[in-house]
Amino acid sequence: DSGVTQTPKHLITATGQRVTLRCSPRSGDLSVYWYQQSLDQGLQFLIQYYNGEERAKGNILERFSAQQFPDLHSELNLSSLELGDSALYFCASSVVAGVVSGANVLTFGAGSRLTVL
Amino acid sequence: AQKVTQAQTEISVVEKEDVTLDCVYETRDTTYYLFWYKQPPSGELVFLIRRNSFDEQNEISGRYSWNFQKSTSSFNFTITASQVVDSAVYFCALSGTSGSARQLTFGSGTQLTVLP
Repeated sequence: DSGVTQTPKHLITATGQRVTLRCSPRSGDLSVYWYQQSLDQGLQFLIQYYNGEERAKGNILERFSAQQFPDLHSELNLSSLELGDSALYFCASSVVAGVVSGANVLTFGAGSRLTVL
Repeated sequence: AQKVTQAQTEISVVEKEDVTLDCVYETRDTTYYLFWYKQPPSGELVFLIRRNSFDEQNEISGRYSWNFQKSTSSFNFTITASQVVDSAVYFCALSGTSGSARQLTFGSGTQLTVLP
């Protein structure tokens, strides 16, 4: 158990729908990252939050949004779902010594597998 | 933009064989960090190692060893005396220290299958 908790583990939904993925970071970690893993795109960075504030954005679609709450858990909202959004969504957390550092070791959760039918 | 290339898509070996997973990277940063992660069949990503660009010493941890060569921009991973439990997808990753390069960039992964 990595200490990063993601729910749900599996989710099946239909095109056009909206889902919310939840992540609780490892105790003491202030930074949360979301990654998408798909067969065609591989592992792609979506977004990072640090202590409630957005810190970096990657290849995140406009239909997707995220936030980090005061208790440091994070949610990734995916709306107007398309078939191509089917993927494994990972949350990761890190103890960020410096928010500009690329040295952070990310601890990943087990992922949420989203299937869009 | 930074890039990580894992040219070996799939490797299959017989138990007890040694196997090397290749990783080649590109970055404009002078300071950067290299990582290896393992993704077993259960799906989670497990951190294995981090090296910084100033430390070219090879590292050994049990049956695992890593060969970092800045001159060839490579960070290869060797498993000695492989075991069935080593079967997984292995990802090499890179992060820099400037702008968007601070985020982890992953290679496409190498699927390692160790046969009994």
